[in-house]
Amino acid sequence: GAVVSQHPSWVICKSGTSVKIECRSLDFQATTMFWYRQFPKQSLMLMATSNEGSKATYEQGVEKDKFLINHASLTLSTLTVTSAHPEDSSFYICSANRAVQETQYFGPGTRLLVL
Amino acid sequence: DAKTTQPTSMDCAEGRAANLPCNHSTISGNEYVYWYRQIHSQGPQYIIHGLKNNETNEMASLIITEDRKSSTLILPHATLRDTAVYYCIVRVSNNDMRFGAGTRLTVKP
Repeated sequence: GAVVSQHPSWVICKSGTSVKIECRSLDFQATTMFWYRQFPKQSLMLMATSNEGSKATYEQGVEKDKFLINHASLTLSTLTVTSAHPEDSSFYICSANRAVQETQYFGPGTRLLVL
Repeated sequence: DAKTTQPTSMDCAEGRAANLPCNHSTISGNEYVYWYRQIHSQGPQYIIHGLKNNETNEMASLIITEDRKSSTLILPHATLRDTAVYYCIVRVSNNDMRFGAGTRLTVKP
């Protein structure tokens, strides 16, 4: 099956620092990758959509300068939370479209805690 | 994408079939019905999807009504490991997924 990995699985950082989260499609090429955020006891909220080699499309209310997305290859997308604050603490999940079947496969998520 | 309506929670006895309903009365002709589940603190797991016909795979069956306004996900023999939040999503292929609140299924011994 299609496997999507994320690294790290969890991270704790100090307020004001930047954190980079990687999302990789391990056994397929992903033309499109998505980033979601999930707060406790809430559903997933789409943050942005990224296509390889082009700028990401951000959802309304998501600051593009704060959440930097780079989709440098067909198997790797990164999300950088810049100048993280405690309110950015959340569960960040990526997903990728398998080009042929177009079903979206999700990574295991990255739990971010900003102190 | 069309909105979906699901019950907030459901219980099911272990070994029994779990039938999870989903209403999507405003679904368009080219929108698929997708089902995912999320076990606590994990990423969503793809279960099944369909357009018009009923579908079955090793995890579940998907029954879509003829008018496509509702569907039911069936887990034929629920186990304790099937306890999760189940999301019904309708979308045009290759577009982003929009998650609703889902149904919290609890499988009880």
